[in-house]
Amino acid sequence: AQSVAQPEDQVNVAEGNPLTVKCTYSVSGNPYLFWYVQYPNRGLQFLLKYITGDNLVKGSYGFEAEFNKSQTSFHLKKPSALVSDSALYFCAVRDGGGTYKYIFGTGTRLKVLA
Amino acid sequence: GAVVSQHPSWVICKSGTSVKIECRSLDFQATTMFWYRQFPKQSLMLMATSNEGSKATYEQGVEKDKFLINHASLTLSTLTVTSAHPEDSSFYICSARDYHEQYFGPGTRLTVT
Repeated sequence: AQSVAQPEDQVNVAEGNPLTVKCTYSVSGNPYLFWYVQYPNRGLQFLLKYITGDNLVKGSYGFEAEFNKSQTSFHLKKPSALVSDSALYFCAVRDGGGTYKYIFGTGTRLKVLA
Repeated sequence: GAVVSQHPSWVICKSGTSVKIECRSLDFQATTMFWYRQFPKQSLMLMATSNEGSKATYEQGVEKDKFLINHASLTLSTLTVTSAHPEDSSFYICSARDYHEQYFGPGTRLTVT
C-alpha cells in the first residue's frame, strides 16, 4: 500500500536561513508526489509535484523539492525562509491503483522566526 | 490553474439539523471529486470518492447514511451532513480531479452547536 511519512511535527528555522521539510514515501510502481501548504482555516495550496523527469523540482514561492529514489525521499526545501512561509505543509502521494486518491502525510508545521 | 470553489466557507448549525456543502470545479469538468475531513492540527482524512453519475465510494469507517454525497454534474458535488452532531464539527475540504491531479477547494468550517 502507498504511504507517506513526515517525521517532523514541527520545524523551526530563522528567517533567511535555508529550510527543509522532510518526506519519505512507500509506493509500488512510479511515484506521483506532491507538496501542499495550508494556512489557518484555508484549503490546500499546491506547491509542486514530481511525476517524472528531473529529480530537482521547482515550485511556487521559491520552494523546490528533491526526489531521491534510492532513499525514497521527497524533501521540500527553500534557500532562504520568510516569516510568511510559516504554515502547515503536507506531502502526498497519489495512489497507483487507478483511483487517483491522494495519501497525505501527517503534516509538518513550519515556524519561521524573525 | 484549475479552480475549485466551496460553499459555504463556514456554517453553524444546530444539533439534529442537516447541512449541505457544495463543491464546484469552475473552469474544468471533473468526473471525480473527493471529500476530505480535517480535524484541528491533523492531516486530511479521505471520506469518499465521488464519481459523476454514480454512487460515491466511501472509505472504511465513514457512515454513508450520515454523509450523503451527490455528484449530479461534471462540475458539482455536494456533501450533506445529516442529523449533525457536535462531533461532526470539522473542516471539510473537497477536491476535483483533472487528469492526473487533484485541485483543492478552500474548505468549509462546520460548527454544530
